Amino acid sequence: EVILTQSPATLSVSPGERATLSCRASQSVRNHLAWYQQKPGQAPRLLIYEASVRATDIPARFSGSASGTDFTLTISSLQSEDFAVYYCQHYNQRPPWTFGQGTKVEIK
Amino acid sequence: EVHLVESGGGLVEPGGFRRLSCSASGFTFSTYAMHWVRQAPGKGLEYVSGIGDKGVPTYYADSVKGRFIISRDNSENSLYLEMTSLRPDDTAVYYCVKERVTDWYDFDCWGQGTLVTVSS
Repeated sequence: EVILTQSPATLSVSPGERATLSCRASQSVRNHLAWYQQKPGQAPRLLIYEASVRATDIPARFSGSASGTDFTLTISSLQSEDFAVYYCQHYNQRPPWTFGQGTKVEIK
Repeated sequence: EVHLVESGGGLVEPGGFRRLSCSASGFTFSTYAMHWVRQAPGKGLEYVSGIGDKGVPTYYADSVKGRFIISRDNSENSLYLEMTSLRPDDTAVYYCVKERVTDWYDFDCWGQGTLVTVSS
């Protein structure tokens, strides 16, 4: 089973600042990694797929990158609506797949 | 517009049975694999099960293998999850999830979820 480790668990950021979230895979998942945003009381929303491709209607301030088994989600300038929990998920090969434990982005 | 609407959640006693349903609309249901993902209260996301576009293959997390059965009815645009031998740690919101593109990829649409509470 692939283990995805997200860091930090909580990130305190001021509006307008840059946020960098990390997701490390225990083994190769190629680029089959997605990022989701979840706000309280809502279902998750797809932000990034294939490690770096923005999903439909996702603002350009969200970007993803990969280096081997290390993946990064960057929010270039945090807006008030971006404070949420972010999860990475791999979809390499066949299920069952795994999610990271999440990073909460909170207002500093 | 894609819509996924789950139903069937509720309170069930340990060892009991529950059947969840997901009604899909706005896309060609029969051409996409579908999945269930759950989230325990205050916790993260956990993959539960997936099913191919024609009903095979099926996949399960180790935590539910042998207790849960996923199925679908393409004529009814519906996805199901039969849950038996339920345990308190199965308590969670269960989401019905659609892949962005067919053939085992990321998830671009989630239902609103249905809460299953396992408690005596």
